[in-house]
Amino acid sequence: KAGVTQTPRYLIKTRGQQVTLSCSPISGHRSVSWYQQTPGQGLQFLFEYFSETQRNKGNFPGRFSGRQFSNSRSEMNVSTLELGDSALYLCASRSSLSGNTIYFGEGSWLTVV
Amino acid sequence: DAKTTQPPSMDCAEGRAANLPCNHSTISGNEYVYWYRQIHSQGPQYIIHGLKNNETNEMASLIITEDRKSSTLILPHATLRDTAVYYCIVTNDYKLSFGAGTTVTVRA
Repeated sequence: KAGVTQTPRYLIKTRGQQVTLSCSPISGHRSVSWYQQTPGQGLQFLFEYFSETQRNKGNFPGRFSGRQFSNSRSEMNVSTLELGDSALYLCASRSSLSGNTIYFGEGSWLTVV
Repeated sequence: DAKTTQPPSMDCAEGRAANLPCNHSTISGNEYVYWYRQIHSQGPQYIIHGLKNNETNEMASLIITEDRKSSTLILPHATLRDTAVYYCIVTNDYKLSFGAGTTVTVRA
């Protein structure tokens, strides 16, 4: 069974630009969540989607947004990038059929210059 | 999430068992203990979790004390590829929060 797949793996953007990251959850998993990981702040929860609806949201500004499609694939978007947005962005999926254990993808490394 | 306390680092000899402790004295009755590890520049990898009973899978064993205030992750035969940061999390929630974890270095 394939794991959580994230694209792109690495990317460099300029301040002020916007970026879209993609995530394909484990087959059968309908819940997808996004996290930001930085050396200083650690792992921080961004938001969770289930059946195309945002179910929970962390404490991030409105520049961070996401969506989920009918096939459970998800995207997150960050607009007006700032230097502080440089981080590892992790997508995770879970399913009640798997005991709700959260499985992470390999992440997308974003560098803002 | 209940707070967890882990040693910042530990070394282990290749082929030997690695015992990683975690204190979670404020754990609630319905909170699970989860262990993840993260190898540099990769996403966190799920290892094991438990509620009350000891658990074992192909990767590791989890020993939870009877009062549930602490637990130990056991890697039975550590290999160089087990070098990583190990996170102990206590939660009954949909979201995770990692502390600093324990940096485990397996030496040949």
